[in-house]
Amino acid sequence: LAKITQPISMDSYEGQEVNITCSHNNIATNDYITWYQQFPSQGPRFIIQGYKTKVTNEVASLFIPADRKSSTLSLPRVSLSDTAVYYCLVVGGTDKLIFGTGTRLQVFP
Amino acid sequence: GAVVSQHPSRVICKSGTSVKIECRSLDFQATTMFWYRQFPKQSLMLMATSNEGSKATYEQGVEKDKFLINHASLTLSTLTVTSAHPEDSSFYICSASPDRQHQPQHFGDGTRLSIL
Repeated sequence: LAKITQPISMDSYEGQEVNITCSHNNIATNDYITWYQQFPSQGPRFIIQGYKTKVTNEVASLFIPADRKSSTLSLPRVSLSDTAVYYCLVVGGTDKLIFGTGTRLQVFP
Repeated sequence: GAVVSQHPSRVICKSGTSVKIECRSLDFQATTMFWYRQFPKQSLMLMATSNEGSKATYEQGVEKDKFLINHASLTLSTLTVTSAHPEDSSFYICSASPDRQHQPQHFGDGTRLSIL
């Protein structure tokens, strides 16, 4: 299983862009990179998934360099409601998700 | 989008009681579902993989006789915490994904279990 490292916490202000980088040095060829958001007392919510290069949806972008050993979740213009824990996961063929500690993002007004 | 429903959202009961939690995939079929436990301020810990029509696969350290899992149909998995004790109090969450490769997991909203 890929060992995943991401910052424990980050602070930002409303309207700023937030970039959360995740390290997954021994990612396997068939693995995908997936990010989830979790609010207190709720289940994680899927944000974005990618394999390589750049993926963008209505809420975020995911940047993956050519070696795929890291990835960066980019949240444009965060608001107070983006305060949450963000998990980076590497998902292989079994679909089993192993959660790390996540990054606790605090957005200030 | 894929929706996973979990019920009940909160349970408070006495020590020794058995508690059943349901996890349903509302608009897709799921051969496999997953059960997690989360303690306050901690990450999700995978407890077991629920397999439709066969026995669940438990992670190391999780007692299969304590946490009974049944996956009787392609849209329903249940987790029964048997003879619950205060140390079983936690936030239990299930997930599922459509049976197509590389589909992201979708999570239920969790069940807050409090054992008095």
